[in-house]
Amino acid sequence: DTAVSQTPKYLVTQMGNDKSIKCEQNLGHDTMYWYKQDSKKFLKIMFSYNNKELIINETVPNRFSPKSPDKAHLNLHINSLELGDSAVYFCASSQGRDRGEKLFFGSGTQLSVL
Amino acid sequence: GQSLEQPSEVTAVEGAIVQINCTYQTSGFYGLSWYQQHDGGAPTFLSYNALDGLEETGRFSSFLSRSDSYGYLLLQELQMKDSASYFCAVRIYSGGYQKVTFGTGTKLQVIP
Repeated sequence: DTAVSQTPKYLVTQMGNDKSIKCEQNLGHDTMYWYKQDSKKFLKIMFSYNNKELIINETVPNRFSPKSPDKAHLNLHINSLELGDSAVYFCASSQGRDRGEKLFFGSGTQLSVL
Repeated sequence: GQSLEQPSEVTAVEGAIVQINCTYQTSGFYGLSWYQQHDGGAPTFLSYNALDGLEETGRFSSFLSRSDSYGYLLLQELQMKDSASYFCAVRIYSGGYQKVTFGTGTKLQVIP
């Protein structure tokens, strides 16, 4: 059983398109995150949700819109994709908003914008 | 602002010991975690230090000195499968919420 699963694993699309990435965790965790890893492997936090409530929004362009229908799911929708959005996007979860000492990551979605 | 510094690359011989350092500058510091990431894979948690001292988990140990804003990951009896990138990550409190910020990563190459 995969603890944190995200789909799709690969996403290749044209500039200007809109795409979504889905994430689900079966760990019973309250807090979920989106991280972006660029080509230099720098992992940068984008958003954090605690029990469906947005708690961190790290100056991400508003073309990125996260949605959490319930505490086990956190999706990421990206409008008007740009070349600079190409990266690996990781979903992660932790037990709670104050339990960030150990994050559980999904396998990542490699987004390529052409 | 905050910053975390790690060496970008380290090479070590199979069976040897290697230390990966991490220095940080941040306010609201709560603790330091370490993650391993193989090429094409996801970061996986290795260790966490909230207090000064050494934490040991099998072949891996992690150390923290809060007064020096410094930590390290120690890998013993290196194996080829330890070739991966290693990230330190600080857990901080800022603006009433907790945030986890990652360092730039250290690529470890283990050679025979």
